[in-house]
Amino acid sequence: LAKTTQPISMDSYEGQEVNITCSHNNIATNDYITWYQQFPSQGPRFIIQGYKTKVTNEVASLFIPADRKSSTLSLPRVSLSDTAVYYCLAGETDSWGKLQFGAGTQVVVTP
Amino acid sequence: SQTIHQWPATLVQPVGSPLSLECTVEGTSNPNLYWYRQAAGRGLQLLFYSVGIGQISSEVPQNLSASRPQDRQFILSSKKLLLSDSGFYLCASQVGFTEKLFFGSGTQLSVL
Repeated sequence: LAKTTQPISMDSYEGQEVNITCSHNNIATNDYITWYQQFPSQGPRFIIQGYKTKVTNEVASLFIPADRKSSTLSLPRVSLSDTAVYYCLAGETDSWGKLQFGAGTQVVVTP
Repeated sequence: SQTIHQWPATLVQPVGSPLSLECTVEGTSNPNLYWYRQAAGRGLQLLFYSVGIGQISSEVPQNLSASRPQDRQFILSSKKLLLSDSGFYLCASQVGFTEKLFFGSGTQLSVL
């Protein structure tokens, strides 16, 4: 299980793109990178998962450079409802549930 | 997709009282089940996980215990609550270790 480091908080305005970078210098060959989103008083929700290069879905994009020592979650044109805590996890797919979620990144979107 | 039911949403209990939180899963069978605790403004701490009926693994020694009496039922218990047991408790389900986690809506426990 790779240790991850991400910013504590980020502020943005509506309509802007938000990029959250996560460092995972000790990532192993079999590790995948996954991001979850959590709203207050709710459980986290899966956003996106990737192994290398770029992954895109209807919610976000995930950019992973060739060395895989970091990854960037990109939220396009954020709205107020994107205000949440975002968690970056890196580990083998057979260990997801055993991962300890860190404090995550608090993203605050204002008008 | 899976649906995770947790209740109650909030709970206030006195120190020394017992605790029983239940989690049930719909929409899947033979899931891996997890209990997490989250302190205010902090990340999630894994407490217990289960890969099958009667199979419980504890990640952190504490005042709590877990049981899985049925395939889609996971129970978190305590005989005597401590102040430090306060927190937001989340149940999660996963179908196979390669799949993403689905979380319930959580129980906010306040021990006074």
